[in-house]
Amino acid sequence: GEQVEQRPPHLSVREGDSAVITCTYTDPNSYYFFWYKQEPGASLQLLMKVFSSTEINEGQGFTVLLNKKDKRLSLNLTAAHPGDSAAYFCAVKFGGSNAKLTFGKGTKLSVKS
Amino acid sequence: AQTIHQWPVAEIKAVGSPLSLGCTIKGKSSPNLYWYWQATGGTLQQLFYSITVGQVESVVQLNLSASRPKDDQFILSTEKLLLSHSGFYLCAWRDTSAETLYFGSGTRLTVL
Repeated sequence: GEQVEQRPPHLSVREGDSAVITCTYTDPNSYYFFWYKQEPGASLQLLMKVFSSTEINEGQGFTVLLNKKDKRLSLNLTAAHPGDSAAYFCAVKFGGSNAKLTFGKGTKLSVKS
Repeated sequence: AQTIHQWPVAEIKAVGSPLSLGCTIKGKSSPNLYWYWQATGGTLQQLFYSITVGQVESVVQLNLSASRPKDDQFILSTEKLLLSHSGFYLCAWRDTSAETLYFGSGTRLTVL
């Protein structure tokens, strides 16, 4: 079945450093990719959605890269700050319109000032 | 704009007691609705989805059931809670034009 592997499970960086979270997936027919942020005790907030045709996506303070050849999706937070401390989840949609969204296991990011 | 509301915010329940969690979406007709469960510190697991009133598909049951009594309402329930039901329950709707899932604020369930 569909598999999404997310690494690392925990990441601790200093304020101003970059932080990189990576997901690898198995199905080459994946169409849509997502990054969600979950602050402690809160729900999931959509950070960015990526379609398979776009390899580089810029957000506010972060970049999402999609490498279709290697089936790898990465989230790169540039100059992390304490407000970035949260759990981050990638999600991949395999297949057609009613296909399930498969989530990675999450990465708990801690940014120390 | 669409808004999704979940209730209650939190519940503490005894093992063996019944449970009903609700989700309402406003501003979207005939939404695709989903229930997800997240164990403490864990990932999200899709439980059910519904594309129309009266129709619910089970993905993983976990001794839970779901119903779609109205176009804008999705209910998750069980007659007998287990300890393993503890966790964070999230309702979501899918924006089919953007293929994006948006989550409600969640219900934190503690089963003792």
